[in-house]
Amino acid sequence: EADIYQTPRYLVIGTGKKITLECSQTMGHDKMYWYQQDPGMELHLIHYSYGVNSTEKGDLSSESTVSRIRTEHFPLTLESARPSHTSQYLCASSEPDRGRTEAFFGQGTRLTVV
Amino acid sequence: QKEVEQDPGPLSVPEGAIVSLNCTYSNSAFQYFMWYRQYSRKGPELLMYTYSSGNKEDGRFTAQVDKSSKYISLFIRDSQPSDSATYLCAMRENTDKLIFGTGTRLQVFP
Repeated sequence: EADIYQTPRYLVIGTGKKITLECSQTMGHDKMYWYQQDPGMELHLIHYSYGVNSTEKGDLSSESTVSRIRTEHFPLTLESARPSHTSQYLCASSEPDRGRTEAFFGQGTRLTVV
Repeated sequence: QKEVEQDPGPLSVPEGAIVSLNCTYSNSAFQYFMWYRQYSRKGPELLMYTYSSGNKEDGRFTAQVDKSSKYISLFIRDSQPSDSATYLCAMRENTDKLIFGTGTRLQVFP
């Protein structure tokens, strides 16, 4: 089982609140990702990082922001949550191995904004 | 048109059946092909990984890639109730940007 952890697993929060979703990995991977997954839809990349102090936006536009101050930690923040942010957020990490990239996923955070 | 198309199912089969899951894609530059399994309320876990065309077998699971037809398959032999999950295909070019299918929900009943 991959050593990548997300907290909280479930979060119900009111509109306008600031939230931070935590993601940590103990594998020493440089590359980390945040995906958004809605029921019946494909995973969409919203943020990624290639290492400390590196963050990039993914394909799906998101009002969230990320930071990468330490290799093992890649938190995602929503400054003001809205019902449209309700979704499952999945964190992943990977390390190239002779051209192969294997993404390890966390358990996910299911966010509901009411 | 989506880059990766996957039938969402649900697919319901009896225990012991052979299951075939498929994805088609449009980007001929895809070189790496993966199948992830996602149990309910869990994150996806890598099940099979294939580079370029060909077959790969791992126990009851066989992954096939046909680049000429832009078609990949996952076969599950002697399916078990524990195989009930959503199966996501994923693929990428010679980068680490993964493109996922929508996932096929599989239910294996005893």
